[in-house]
Amino acid sequence: DAKTTQPTSMDCAEGRAANLPCNHSTISGNEYVYWYRQIHSQGPQYIIHGLKNNETNEMASLIITEDRKSSTLILPHATLRDTAVYYCIVRPLSNDYKLSFGAGTTVTVRA
Amino acid sequence: DSGVTQTPKHLITATGQRVTLRCSPRSGDLSVYWYQQSLDQGLQFLIQYYNGEERAKGNILERFSAQQFPDLHSELNLSSLELGDSALYFCASRGTSGGSNTGELFFGEGSRLTVL
Repeated sequence: DAKTTQPTSMDCAEGRAANLPCNHSTISGNEYVYWYRQIHSQGPQYIIHGLKNNETNEMASLIITEDRKSSTLILPHATLRDTAVYYCIVRPLSNDYKLSFGAGTTVTVRA
Repeated sequence: DSGVTQTPKHLITATGQRVTLRCSPRSGDLSVYWYQQSLDQGLQFLIQYYNGEERAKGNILERFSAQQFPDLHSELNLSSLELGDSALYFCASRGTSGGSNTGELFFGEGSRLTVL
């Protein structure tokens, strides 16, 4: 699986957009970008995934650069409950499917 | 609520003992994944089952074993426990829609194992 690089931590003001970058310069053509988050000691939660087009759902937006070497997860209006570790993962969409979690980005939303 | 159920939520035991962690995947999901999360190792993939068969193996110790039963629930057996086995153990099932893989993993709330 392609390796991802994320900042260790970032702060965000409540009510503002949080932009979380992820670098995946070695991504292959069949690999998707997935984002998960883990709120303290809870099970990781799926946020969004995409291949090359930008994606949006009720939780977030995913912006993937044209060369697919990086992406940004956008939380449009961060709340205190969005404080969590956010993981960017690159993986093919296949049945033999395991996610390799890195260290992620610890996002702290401040009032 | 992810729909994945794990029991027990908390477990305290002694070194050398054996424990069994149980996972019920979401209704209709055929794949089950086990992960271990300790303070110094992050989330580590242990093993995957698909419809009763082992599909992929990660960093699972020989002292650990798992199986998936015909009703699709899974059990992770940890034996000869050591202090270092203290961790959160998560189970996940993979989402499907109309038989197609949606790619999402749905995680349970975990079983916290403390070995004293």
